[in-house]
Formats: sequence, C-alpha cells, structure tokens
Amino acid sequence: KAGVTQTPRYLIKTRGQQVTLSCSPISGHRSVSWYQQTPGQGLQFLFEYFSETQRNKGNFPGRFSGRQFSNSRSEMNVSTLELGDSALYLCASSQRSGDNEQFFGPGTRLTVL
Amino acid sequence: GENVEQHPSTLSVQEGDSAVIKCTYSDSASNYFPWYKQELGKGPQLIIDIRSNVGEKKDQRIAVTLNKTAKHFSLHITETQPEDSAVYFCAASYGTSGTYKYIFGTGTRLKVLA
Repeated sequence: KAGVTQTPRYLIKTRGQQVTLSCSPISGHRSVSWYQQTPGQGLQFLFEYFSETQRNKGNFPGRFSGRQFSNSRSEMNVSTLELGDSALYLCASSQRSGDNEQFFGPGTRLTVL
Repeated sequence: GENVEQHPSTLSVQEGDSAVIKCTYSDSASNYFPWYKQELGKGPQLIIDIRSNVGEKKDQRIAVTLNKTAKHFSLHITETQPEDSAVYFCAASYGTSGTYKYIFGTGTRLKVLA
C-alpha cells in the first residue's frame, strides 16, 4: 500500500505570493491533517479535513486555508506569504477523524524569500 | 490551554545503553498518546502508541508507559543502536468526538554514540 505523498517536495516563493501544496493520503484513509514544522515552534497543527469537511482548526491566521476533495486528496493554500511562513509542511492521513494513528508524508519544504 | 512538555531536548547515549524520553500533558481528557521518530529529510514515523486504558506497551526494544494520574508518559528504548539516532516526538490527542487534534511535544534529539 502506497504511503502518503506530498507535492511538491521543495518550493521557493517570494513574500506576497501565494502557494498551494498537495497531499494524497493512503488509500482508504479519509482524514487528512496538516502541520507546520519549524525549528522554533516544532510541529503545530493547522487543520484537519474529513469527508471534505474541515473538522478542526489550529491557531493560524486566515491566510492559511485548505480543502479536501471527494477522493480524500487535500490541498492547503497560503496567501500573502511572509518570511515566517518558511517551514516544512507535513500532512498526515488516518482512517477516520479522531484518536487514530496518523501516517505522515515526507513534507513540502517551503522557503519564502 | 492544551500543552505537551517533552524532556530532554537532546540526549546522547552510548550504543547498547538505554534511552528514556518523558512527556507531560495538560488535558486529563487526552486518551491517545503516539510517539514519532523523524529522521533527517523525512516526515515523522509512528513507532509506538498507547491508549489511556493501558499502562504499558512494548514492541521489541521500544516501550511506552503511561501514568494517567500524573499525566506523564515515557518512551523507553533499550539496547540502543546508531540507527536509533533521530528526533523523537511525543503527542497527545485532545478534543471530543469529531473534533480531535494532536498536540506535539517539542522533540528530543537522540544521538547514539558508537
């Protein structure tokens, strides 16, 4: 069974631009969560989608948004990029929303110049 | 608010020795506690987890213990090997049905010295 895939793996953008990251969960998994990982803040929860609905949201500004498609693939979008948005963005999939094990993808390394 | 504290932030051990990483969580309603290992350039990988109705779980050289009263849980790695060198994260799940989320500890960089 294929693991979680994320595209692109690396991305360089400039301040003010917007970016869209993609995540394909493990086949059969319907929940996708997004995290931001930085050396200073560690792993921080962005949001979770289950059955195309946002089920939970972390404490990030509205510039961070996401969506999930009927095939469970998910995208996250960051608008008006800031230097501080440089991070590794990880997505994790699980079979259902809730206290179930999550499987992480390799992440997308976003650098904002 | 919800919080998970993890200690130590770095840990160096000699090959063959044991390593222990400790986490404390704040929400007594948390009921699922996974541990992840993250190697350079990769996403976190689930290595072991424990649920609140269990006090201890073991998988070969790795074990996790949970003290619900004290809101502590720990990762124990015995007979450490160089390939155990990585960053380890603990996490606790929070929320009610349909609104779960995970809070992660700040990570422990484990170095196993050959």
